[in-house]
Amino acid sequence: DAGVIQSPRHEVTEMGQEVTLRCKPISGHNSLFWYRQTMMRGLELLIYFNNNVPIDDSGMPEDRFSAKMPNASFSTLKIQPSEPRDSAVYFCASRIGTVDSPLHFGNGTRLTVT
Amino acid sequence: AQSVTQLGSHVSVSEGALVLLRCNYSSSVPPYLFWYVQYPNQGLQLLLKYTSAATLVKGINGFEAEFKKSETSFHLTKPSAHMSDAAEYFCAVSDRGSSASKIIFGSGTRLSIRP
Repeated sequence: DAGVIQSPRHEVTEMGQEVTLRCKPISGHNSLFWYRQTMMRGLELLIYFNNNVPIDDSGMPEDRFSAKMPNASFSTLKIQPSEPRDSAVYFCASRIGTVDSPLHFGNGTRLTVT
Repeated sequence: AQSVTQLGSHVSVSEGALVLLRCNYSSSVPPYLFWYVQYPNQGLQLLLKYTSAATLVKGINGFEAEFKKSETSFHLTKPSAHMSDAAEYFCAVSDRGSSASKIIFGSGTRLSIRP
């Protein structure tokens, strides 16, 4: 089991550029979550999917953020245009679709917007 | 809506001492509760979970947690701290509504171990 795979591990970009973060969940997991971690705000849930369908995107900060899950093995989180305040570590996590199943996290993407 | 509160953003104990990390939850229905650990530059890893089978839950690395409904608490303990336990610990809650329930994390507690 390769675990949840996120790419890239590090991303440095200039303000105004488009950023795309990628996630491959564990095979067989049908729920996928995107979190953002910062010192000031801790671990925030941005959006989550169940069976590729977005269930709750109320944590997405603003319209500059969008997420897709075109199939069971791939998801993207896009920021367009990026701003310095978007700098954070973005985590993707997946789990089997049972109510007591835990999340399995990727190693995160550290985003720096200058 | 469910939530968790972790008391103490930073806890420091001596090697060999008892570790106690506090977590209180708020949920309109009996929740599922989790403790995760995060080492530097890594994602979170599951330590243990409570799903109502037993109120005292044993996890990896010698950690355990006790669910106390009357106190709405799920504190994490370890009898004897080891240097390798230094990390950040997160409590999390998920309600029992459906398999599509979201999981909400507390603000985390950084555990430091003094030699």
